[in-house]
Amino acid sequence: QSALTQPRSVSGSPGQSVTISCTGTSTDVGGYNYVSWYQQHPGEAPKLMIYDVTKRPSGVPDRFSGSKSGNTASLTISGLQADDEADYYCCSYAGRYIVIFGGGTKLAVL
Amino acid sequence: EVQLVESGGGLVQPGGSLRVSCAASGLTVSSNYMNWVRQAPGKGLEWVSVIYSGGNIYYADSVKGRFTISRDNSKNTLYLQMNSLRAEDTAVYYCAKGGDGYNFAFDFWGQGTLVTVSS
Repeated sequence: QSALTQPRSVSGSPGQSVTISCTGTSTDVGGYNYVSWYQQHPGEAPKLMIYDVTKRPSGVPDRFSGSKSGNTASLTISGLQADDEADYYCCSYAGRYIVIFGGGTKLAVL
Repeated sequence: EVQLVESGGGLVQPGGSLRVSCAASGLTVSSNYMNWVRQAPGKGLEWVSVIYSGGNIYYADSVKGRFTISRDNSKNTLYLQMNSLRAEDTAVYYCAKGGDGYNFAFDFWGQGTLVTVSS
């Protein structure tokens, strides 16, 4: 059960778009369309932003979108805003009712 | 409004035991798949365990045989009994509700309770 691989950090300017990648294997990300993404501000609990690779829960802005190709999932945030600055974690089902998270990516809005 | 409130964290010596709780309101614990997720200080998230509405239970390999997830339906509360604790179990422990129709995704989280394993 190795953690999924995410870049340690990404950055962008207000109004720009950024993409965060999440690389796994054929037994997790590549094997199921059950990838979710979470936003976590310092000192707060994580918040669900994307589930089932591409779906947004009610209340999440459509600036947030998800995709997947092979063993790599991606979260794209368009029209960056200051409040988007946070840590982002991907998560994937890995079979046998186990889920695994990525190591997290710190997004800086410059 | 859904609320999950964890409690029971604290300082425990290596090899010791601790039980953390998650009191739920606005939802029925026994009707949902409820999870524990932990986060070591300054580190990422790690899924720990899940209990399904039907009672099926699963654990991460890192805690299997040492941790036990359970629930008390009368108190609408989720528990995590942690035995044989190690320094690497030091973390904030969150309870998280599995989303209805959200496959293996967690739509509500508590604020977490800190467990510190140290002598």
